[in-house]
Amino acid sequence: AQSVTQLGSHVSVSEGALVLLRCNYSSSVPPYLFWYVQYPNQGLQLLLKYTTGATLVKGINGFEAEFKKSETSFHLTKPSAHMSDAAEYFCAVRVLGGFKTIFGAGTRLFVKA
Amino acid sequence: ETGVTQSPTHLIKTRGQQVTLRCSSQSGHNTVSWYQQALGQGPQFIFQYYREEENGRGNFPPRFSGLQFPNYSSELNVNALELDDSALYLCASSRAGGLLTDTQYFGPGTRLTVL
Repeated sequence: AQSVTQLGSHVSVSEGALVLLRCNYSSSVPPYLFWYVQYPNQGLQLLLKYTTGATLVKGINGFEAEFKKSETSFHLTKPSAHMSDAAEYFCAVRVLGGFKTIFGAGTRLFVKA
Repeated sequence: ETGVTQSPTHLIKTRGQQVTLRCSSQSGHNTVSWYQQALGQGPQFIFQYYREEENGRGNFPPRFSGLQFPNYSSELNVNALELDDSALYLCASSRAGGLLTDTQYFGPGTRLTVL
């Protein structure tokens, strides 16, 4: 069975600091991996996705993530945090033959001025 | 291109009642998935509809049912509501039958409170 673990339910950074949100997955087959962002009272917005090919994936708003098979990780990073990045972030996995997207529990990012 | 819309925004029901939530897919999309997001948790997959047929289901009891209409709008019905059904219900539409690389576009959700 597939699963996703997000380390840290809350992460706080200062404006301009590096953002690092951690995600580890469990899958017996090659996964497709996603990061979504959810702003208050809104639905989920896709930040980026890894399917095949290059393991470093660039997304919107300056975010990127690296797929590391040996570590079963897909951590999300951004070099410099902005106040507008404050939101809930979800890591998710889909696998071949599966219809559903499996989400982690989410990490709330706080950005301090 | 219009986005995914859901109605109502908020809903309050009592235990044992039935509820219908609605979703209008993004233009050109023929696939819709429904998710339940309990407070403080990630979304949990309920089921997916493709061209009016259910083609995938998560670990939810049969009292959770759905419909997809010829215009690809969709309904989620929940019977015999329980307190634990209180959650944000999200629908997501996509254009390719749920293929792995299919990008899902999410609506803003319906907040259901069961008292």
